[in-house]
Amino acid sequence: DQQVKQNSPSLSVQEGRISILNCDYTNSMFDYFLWYKKYPAEGPTFLISISSIKDKNEDGRFTVFLNKSAKHLSLHIVPSQPGDSAVYFCAASELYTDKLIFGTGTRLQVFP
Amino acid sequence: DTAVSQTPKYLVTQMGNDKSIKCEQNLGHDTMYWYKQDSKKFLKIMFSYNNKELIINETVPNRFSPKSPDKAHLNLHINSLELGDSAVYFCASSQVEGGTEAFFGQGTRLTVV
Repeated sequence: DQQVKQNSPSLSVQEGRISILNCDYTNSMFDYFLWYKKYPAEGPTFLISISSIKDKNEDGRFTVFLNKSAKHLSLHIVPSQPGDSAVYFCAASELYTDKLIFGTGTRLQVFP
Repeated sequence: DTAVSQTPKYLVTQMGNDKSIKCEQNLGHDTMYWYKQDSKKFLKIMFSYNNKELIINETVPNRFSPKSPDKAHLNLHINSLELGDSAVYFCASSQVEGGTEAFFGQGTRLTVV
């Protein structure tokens, strides 16, 4: 059973506009959430994270929103740039562990 | 039905031992991977493998070796385990190299004592 779900396998956005990537989870014990960015033939690289005590975390063009009641988080990229084109993974971990549970990824394509 | 399964989930062993972590995917994917999670945030790719090519991250010690008996399996063998090998290891698969979706296993926490 997939505890972390990314239901959109792909997303296409025009340069300069907002990209919104979504992630849902089922395990209420998750308390820490991360987004990773992955280019072909490379491992995922850490992008941004959020603790369950917050509902928003911002880092430059990237903002992650957490809705605990809905068990939903999203990554907003504003403005989107062609270099943002990659696969984005959502991941989560439980309290007192650092073991990650990954979603299946969403491929973002930013076109000019 | 689990898509990518790893066994064992936890492995505690002594320094100097040789151990294996098994990975199986039932998705019919062509490419499988091994990652090492060194800390809470950082993942490092160790190997990617399809039925034609093994790509090795050059920073991975040669004590680590992947073995693929068939397309659905990519096992990780580790010889002469060291304390620094303690980490969580993830197996993953995708249809093609760098494919749209990658499915990760649940991870194996290896503790070397």
